[in-house]
Amino acid sequence: DTGVSQDPRHKITKRGQNVTFRCDPISEHNRLYWYRQTLGQGPEFLTYFQNEAQLEKSRLLSDRFSAERPKGSFSTLEIQRTEQGDSAMYLCASSRGNIGTDEQYFGPGTRLTVT
Amino acid sequence: RKEVEQDPGPFNVPEGATVAFNCTYSNSASQSFFWYRQDCRKEPKLLMSVYSSGNEDGRFTAQLNRASQYISLLIRDSKLSDSATYLCVVYTSGGSYIPTFGRGTSLIVHP
Repeated sequence: DTGVSQDPRHKITKRGQNVTFRCDPISEHNRLYWYRQTLGQGPEFLTYFQNEAQLEKSRLLSDRFSAERPKGSFSTLEIQRTEQGDSAMYLCASSRGNIGTDEQYFGPGTRLTVT
Repeated sequence: RKEVEQDPGPFNVPEGATVAFNCTYSNSASQSFFWYRQDCRKEPKLLMSVYSSGNEDGRFTAQLNRASQYISLLIRDSKLSDSATYLCVVYTSGGSYIPTFGRGTSLIVHP
């Protein structure tokens, strides 16, 4: 399978714990996006990388959230001191081509439940 | 006003019907537009890009109206398999292009 993969697919954690998610993009894609999606809403942009550089970060993203893409390949999203409001589906997408005209390919997502 | 707005529906139509959805955007600096399809509990998948001149792909037609700041998606001859949520995404330039998704419009096609 050469699509975008995410790990884990499901995560249940207690409030206050830290969690880390991984995304492996399509190999030739230089851009990688993270989104959060809750029921009945569209994906909400969190951040994106072009190669290893984090170029944009949503102002909605609190300082408890951090993302890395150390070698321009896979990426990790860490949430520290999780809160119940963090419960959501976390989606990763990758793309190539010119920014703003790129077609994003999404992974299956990581569903986070904070109890 | 939200940056990107969609009627959540659901739009409930019989097989064979023609149905159209709109997606309005508030920022006139928006540059690029796409429609994605999302099945229940699945990830979004690209349906089609929206070009200034409009574009058609089989039963699907997408159009852009810059003057009124909306994009549209028309589905002809609806199939049961078209049942899904249709998300629009708008890229707006503010240094970098930020993608903003609408909340999606739910379509249910019944026999």
